[in-house]
Amino acid sequence: IAGITQAPTSQILAAGRRMTLRCTQDMRHNAMYWYRQDLGLGLRLIHYSNTAGTTGKGEVPDGYSVSRANTDDFPLTLASAVPSQTSVYFCASSPSGGAGGDTQYFGPGTRLTVL
Amino acid sequence: GQNIDQPTEMTATEGAIVQINCTYQTSGFNGLFWYQQHAGEAPTFLSYNVLDGLEEKGRFSSFLSRSKGYSYLLLKELQMKDSASYLCAVREGDYKLSFGAGTTVTVRA
Repeated sequence: IAGITQAPTSQILAAGRRMTLRCTQDMRHNAMYWYRQDLGLGLRLIHYSNTAGTTGKGEVPDGYSVSRANTDDFPLTLASAVPSQTSVYFCASSPSGGAGGDTQYFGPGTRLTVL
Repeated sequence: GQNIDQPTEMTATEGAIVQINCTYQTSGFNGLFWYQQHAGEAPTFLSYNVLDGLEEKGRFSSFLSRSKGYSYLLLKELQMKDSASYLCAVREGDYKLSFGAGTTVTVRA
């Protein structure tokens, strides 16, 4: 079934540990995105990638890094997790990254708790 | 940057109509999206407006006024399954979407 997968589904992590959230899409979309969703704040963009090989910073990039080695995969890494990074993380992709009604499609999310 | 405002919560009765308003301020408007998000699930696309006017899709309609920085999502013939959060999102420039905090709609029998 075409779509976006994320792993893990949920994770409890000790502060200071390194963690990589995985995201894979099989729709051959050019653009991919990482958001975090916190109660009362809505979805906030962390990083994005317009096409394989390029990345950009979103609204809340500090403490996170991404890479886009190929079209399908867009991992998000927390180098040294802190409790304020406790959140639900959504990966999304879109076909062209901006033209017209380019729609973003979301993965199922990863619930991360940092203690 | 931009400011996107929508009500936090709304409650309506099954079969009724509910209108969710969204106001925004942006320097480079390039489209407005509405997403639906059920509790514990991913957001799913509902509608897109880039020109002024009304877009209708079955029971759901979305309206945009660019000069007023205003949009609304209209849900008609409400069903229990419509209980969800509704997210207003504005595209500024080419790629980035900025989301409002969402409106939680509760449909009562």
